[in-house]
Amino acid sequence: SAVISQKPSRDICQRGTSLTIQCQVDSQVTMMFWYRQQPGQSLTLIATANQGSEATYESGFVIDKFPISRPNLTFSTLTVSNMSPEDSSIYLCSVVSQEYTEAFFGQGTRLTVV
Amino acid sequence: QKEVEQNSGPLSVPEGAIASLNCTYSDRVSQSFFWYRQYSGKSPELIMSIYSNGDKEDGRFTAQLNKASQYVSLLIRDSQPSDSATYLCAVSGNNRLAFGKGNQVVVIP
Repeated sequence: SAVISQKPSRDICQRGTSLTIQCQVDSQVTMMFWYRQQPGQSLTLIATANQGSEATYESGFVIDKFPISRPNLTFSTLTVSNMSPEDSSIYLCSVVSQEYTEAFFGQGTRLTVV
Repeated sequence: QKEVEQNSGPLSVPEGAIASLNCTYSDRVSQSFFWYRQYSGKSPELIMSIYSNGDKEDGRFTAQLNKASQYVSLLIRDSQPSDSATYLCAVSGNNRLAFGKGNQVVVIP
């Protein structure tokens, strides 16, 4: 199993500002994933953070809006840039076991943009 | 067609009854299938994984997989109020997990 520490757990931000979310894993993992979960909705994959290369973004998400860093095999950050109220959501980081037998989630970051 | 579909609306079941949830997926080469439980305001937690056709039982939970029909289901026996949550179906493929929209289950005491 993997233990993921994600912070901040919640924040209230002004529109136009940026927030960086951090995710620390207690073991080395190849890929880390960032999801968004809007109120009442399921998880939508934003991007896959790869160590040593640029993140891979899903359709509808771009690097300028959601820059990701992956400096090593245990850490990643997601920045939500130039925020608007539509970015209010829960953001989750996740890792999977090597055989894809299980996915583990951080505690989530509840973001409110006012 | 969405990758993973969970079409049922909120499910209300009496305490002690069986809750049945269904999920279909579009990618035939998917190999791993998961059911997650998510309480309001919390992260998803894995409750069942299944990889081969047939049934897999774990306590009060049974997952059923039918790769030919591309569906996976979850049965919750002897439902308890603590089972009230949203249940997410997830399917692995292309080096990532795809999630369904989830089904809310409400167990009525």
